Amino acid sequence: SQQGEEDPQALSIQEGENATMNCSYKTSINNLQWYRQNSGRGLVHLILIRSNEREKHSGRLRVTLDTSKKSSSLLITASRAADTASYFCATANRDDKIIFGKGTRLHILP
Amino acid sequence: AAGVIQSPRHLIKEKRETATLKCYPIPRHDTVYWYQQGPGQDPQFLISFYEKMQSDKGSIPDRFSAQQFSDYHSELNMSSLELGDSALYFCASSPGWGVNTEAFFGQGTRLTVV
Repeated sequence: SQQGEEDPQALSIQEGENATMNCSYKTSINNLQWYRQNSGRGLVHLILIRSNEREKHSGRLRVTLDTSKKSSSLLITASRAADTASYFCATANRDDKIIFGKGTRLHILP
Repeated sequence: AAGVIQSPRHLIKEKRETATLKCYPIPRHDTVYWYQQGPGQDPQFLISFYEKMQSDKGSIPDRFSAQQFSDYHSELNMSSLELGDSALYFCASSPGWGVNTEAFFGQGTRLTVV
């Protein structure tokens, strides 16, 4: 079954604004991870949130997890041009298989 | 700090040829994952290994095989290549097999089948 469905699929915002991306999943998870990928490049791990955590911060990133709704959100505050990239959520289930969603393409406008 | 190393970074092969992709995990990481990412697609899980044994299998074609060696590096072997195999292939490693293990990804191997 498909895990980690991101929405929106594409997002364009002005530099300095906040960007919010959402992710929904279907099965029970051990943790949820967010990754960033610049066009055609490698996947960079941003943040991991455990299934017993509700919110986590890292610099300008804020991640929330609602296991009752099987959803997570990634908030990037005070966006910068360098934040332009694709963002994927990935869920690790009880077998520790990490499954990626389709990603949100974020474009920061100058 | 050492990261996950993949080689080669780029590979061009003809249809029906064979390709071997290599992955060197971060030292002391004993779990390796392989992913395939087609153009504009999300990464698709292929296969994983823990302590040199296959631990999970995803949407990996029968033409592909993989193994993890005694030094924990892994190789993905792809035979009878098809045009549709053109993709970015990522390897990731993590320490151990348990809850909340963070996976670290390599830069990927871009395979082009012509």
